[in-house]
Amino acid sequence: DIVMTQSPDSLAVSLGERATINCKSSQSVLYSPNNKNYLTWYQQKPGQPPKLLISWAFTRESGVPDRFSGSGSGTDFTLTISSLQAEDVAVYYCQQYYGIPRTFGQGTKVEIK
Amino acid sequence: QVQLQESGPGLVKPSETLSLTCTVSGGSISSYYWVWIRQSPGKGLEWIGHIYYTGSTNYNPSLKGRVTMSVDTSKNQFSLKLSSVTAADTAVYYCARQRRGENLPFDSWGQGTLVTVSS
Repeated sequence: DIVMTQSPDSLAVSLGERATINCKSSQSVLYSPNNKNYLTWYQQKPGQPPKLLISWAFTRESGVPDRFSGSGSGTDFTLTISSLQAEDVAVYYCQQYYGIPRTFGQGTKVEIK
Repeated sequence: QVQLQESGPGLVKPSETLSLTCTVSGGSISSYYWVWIRQSPGKGLEWIGHIYYTGSTNYNPSLKGRVTMSVDTSKNQFSLKLSSVTAADTAVYYCARQRRGENLPFDSWGQGTLVTVSS
């Protein structure tokens, strides 16, 4: 299995400040023939299912604010919220769809400081 | 916009079989992979497996052959059976749609249903 490890487990950020979440995979999720990283980010708010934010490591889904951005390649990835808003309080998960079984990171809880 | 809704018993006895159905509305079940995922406090999000609308499946090996998925295209539904359950199978179970094609993320999710395993 590809193990996904996120850091930190939680972070508190002031409104308007930057939040950075890291995700590391135990093996590369970059598929060389198409040069795509099979890595996605989800946002989960309390009592709700996860919501797809970013796919292919950096492609924002339609309707996702541009303060959310993804970066990285191979085994190391980052989700950045450039200017934290109150509605961004949630748990964020990375997930690989390169191999079977699909696997998720353990989640990073983002709170307001 | 496609919507997914899980249904099934919220309480299952140990050693019995957990059975859930996901009803898809607002879109066809055809041409997609359909996924079951569970979330428990102890193990986070766990991919249980997926089924293509044709009926081909792929399961998480960690569930050691206890999983069976099926699809009913006439009803726009797909189902999950998990046998020999224990307390460790207590979780919120989500059904989801994988974006059209292989090896793609999950773009639509049901609201989830809590299943508790207890006598």
